[in-house]
Amino acid sequence: AQSVTQPDIHITVSEGASLELRCNYSYGATPYLFWYVQSPGQGLQLLLKYFSGDTLVQGIKGFEAEFKRSQSSFNLRKPSVHWSDAAEYFCAVGASGTYKYIFGTGTRLKVLA
Amino acid sequence: ETGVTQTPRHLVMGMTNKKSLKCEQHLGHNAMYWYKQSAKKPLELMFVYSLEERVENNSVPSRFSPECPNSSHLFLHLHTLQPEDSALYLCASSQGGGQNTEAFFGQGTRLTVV
Repeated sequence: AQSVTQPDIHITVSEGASLELRCNYSYGATPYLFWYVQSPGQGLQLLLKYFSGDTLVQGIKGFEAEFKRSQSSFNLRKPSVHWSDAAEYFCAVGASGTYKYIFGTGTRLKVLA
Repeated sequence: ETGVTQTPRHLVMGMTNKKSLKCEQHLGHNAMYWYKQSAKKPLELMFVYSLEERVENNSVPSRFSPECPNSSHLFLHLHTLQPEDSALYLCASSQGGGQNTEAFFGQGTRLTVV
């Protein structure tokens, strides 16, 4: 069955430090992968997506993610975190042939001043 | 108006009430979704409509009743809810499905059942 795992429920980093959020997926075919961000009380905003091509994708707000088929991973990175990046981050996979988007449980990011 | 708009943003209802959540998308998309977001649980897909036809129905209790009168509007009718139904209900839309495009989300309706 298709699934998405985000191993880290909470991550705390200092402002200006680098960030990596982990995402592993289980999917039989070529995955369509997404990262979303959710601020408290808000909906989900797309940060970036991967469908094919270059395995390093750039997104909004200075985020990037790298697709690694051999590791079934799609980790999100940012070289220097800002206090405004504090939010919850969700990795998702789009299931081919259906209208399903399968989400991980999310990683809550806290940023220390 | 842009994107996906949900109303109301907050709703408190008793277990015997009937209420409806509304979603409107201004993106020209052909698919609309209801998700339930509870604390410490993954987003749960409830319903999907494509071109006003229901294409996914993930074992949702009958006290939740969706309605899609046209491709821009989606409703979730609620009746005789339980306290465990308290959650953030998110509406989303997409052009096609997850295999070729992303979903765009509304800001959600925070539902509290008392």
